Amino acid sequence: EPEVTQTPSHQVTQMGQEVILRCVPISNHLYFYWYRQILGQKVEFLVSFYNNEISEKSEIFDDQFSVERPDGSNFTLKIRSTKLEDSAMYFCASNSGGTDTQYFGPGTRLTVL
Amino acid sequence: AQSVSQHNHHVILSEAASLELGCNYSYGGTVNLFWYVQYPGQHLQLLLKYFSGDPLVKGIKGFEAEFIKSKFSFNLRKPSVQWSDTAEYFCAVNAGGYNKLIFGAGTRLAVHP
Repeated sequence: EPEVTQTPSHQVTQMGQEVILRCVPISNHLYFYWYRQILGQKVEFLVSFYNNEISEKSEIFDDQFSVERPDGSNFTLKIRSTKLEDSAMYFCASNSGGTDTQYFGPGTRLTVL
Repeated sequence: AQSVSQHNHHVILSEAASLELGCNYSYGGTVNLFWYVQYPGQHLQLLLKYFSGDPLVKGIKGFEAEFIKSKFSFNLRKPSVQWSDTAEYFCAVNAGGYNKLIFGAGTRLAVHP
């Protein structure tokens, strides 16, 4: 069964550094998402992406964040200058239609020191 | 703003006990409802979903959920839990034509043999 994959599984970075989190969505899916879960808190929506542009973003997704689909398979989340409060598990998801079931990747645990 | 409430944060049961996890959402229009499960060390997986039709939906591993529109609820049930059901359970909704999922805080279920 096809799966969403994410790399790396764990990323440790210094405050102020840039990080890029990578995702490979399911191949025939058209909609891509990033969510995050700070330890002990809810899973929160960050951004959705369709047809090579952002279709929706949350208040969390400020100018420090960007997303890109650099080729036909990868979907990346970049955090330009990480802050301590960016430490969280970041989940990528994809689906074939906007409100269809979203399939989640295993997550990247980001630790900002 | 849309929100999802899961009232039980931690549930401890013995094997063969019955399970009911509460989920309420706040949105007056058409909603799609989901229960996801996260087993220890694994990614979010879909248990079941409700889009329309029969309000009693059956999912994988013997789980079911009932959509009660008048109560804005989508409670998850299983008549007899197993040790392998130990996991965190998340209720989620998308609504208003938006693709993003709004998650509840999750319920951590521990099943003792």
